[in-house]
Amino acid sequence: NAGVTQTPKFRVLKTGQSMTLLCAQDMNHEYMYWYRQDPGMGLRLIHYSVGEGTTAKGEVPDGYNVSRLKKQNFLLGLESAAPSQTSVYFCASTPEAPQDTQYFGPGTRLTVL
Amino acid sequence: GQNIDQPTEMTATEGAIVQINCTYQTSGFNGLFWYQQHAGEAPTFLSYNVLDGLEEKGRFSSFLSRSKGYSYLLLKELQMKDSASYLCAAMDSNYQLIWGAGTKLIIKP
Repeated sequence: NAGVTQTPKFRVLKTGQSMTLLCAQDMNHEYMYWYRQDPGMGLRLIHYSVGEGTTAKGEVPDGYNVSRLKKQNFLLGLESAAPSQTSVYFCASTPEAPQDTQYFGPGTRLTVL
Repeated sequence: GQNIDQPTEMTATEGAIVQINCTYQTSGFNGLFWYQQHAGEAPTFLSYNVLDGLEEKGRFSSFLSRSKGYSYLLLKELQMKDSASYLCAAMDSNYQLIWGAGTKLIIKP
């Protein structure tokens, strides 16, 4: 099993450009999450999904959209990137319940100029 | 508001014991997690406590006091590979994790 994978690993964008981050898991997990991690701050939840076809807002959803059309994939979109979105983005999944262990992907380092 | 406090950085000696403290304030409580994160890598799960008391798992132990809003992670027989950040996270009434900023642990020979 590959576990949780993220594409791409690194990306540089200009202000106003758009992009999509892909998260894939091969563990048949129900719950999936997108976080951002900034220096000196804890992980902050952007959006999450409790199952295929569902999405919900987390703590910092503004400027991001998500989709979960297939159970194994969770996409994070930035419609018009801003320098404040420069961060490391982590995807995570849990098997059946939110109290389960979260399995994280390797992260995507995004820089917005 | 919801808040997690943990020290920013700690230093310890190889072979010694270190205790990393965490205090939390959340709307409701559904458990306390500890994760380890090596520099440039993803967090990995260490422990989960939902009841008061000590949970031991090899060299690592985690303690929870719900009445005090307090937890600690105890690392014994420190090894150089334990140099990492340790993230404390509390689960609130909506089953969302509130994360601390992490404690960077530096191990010296």
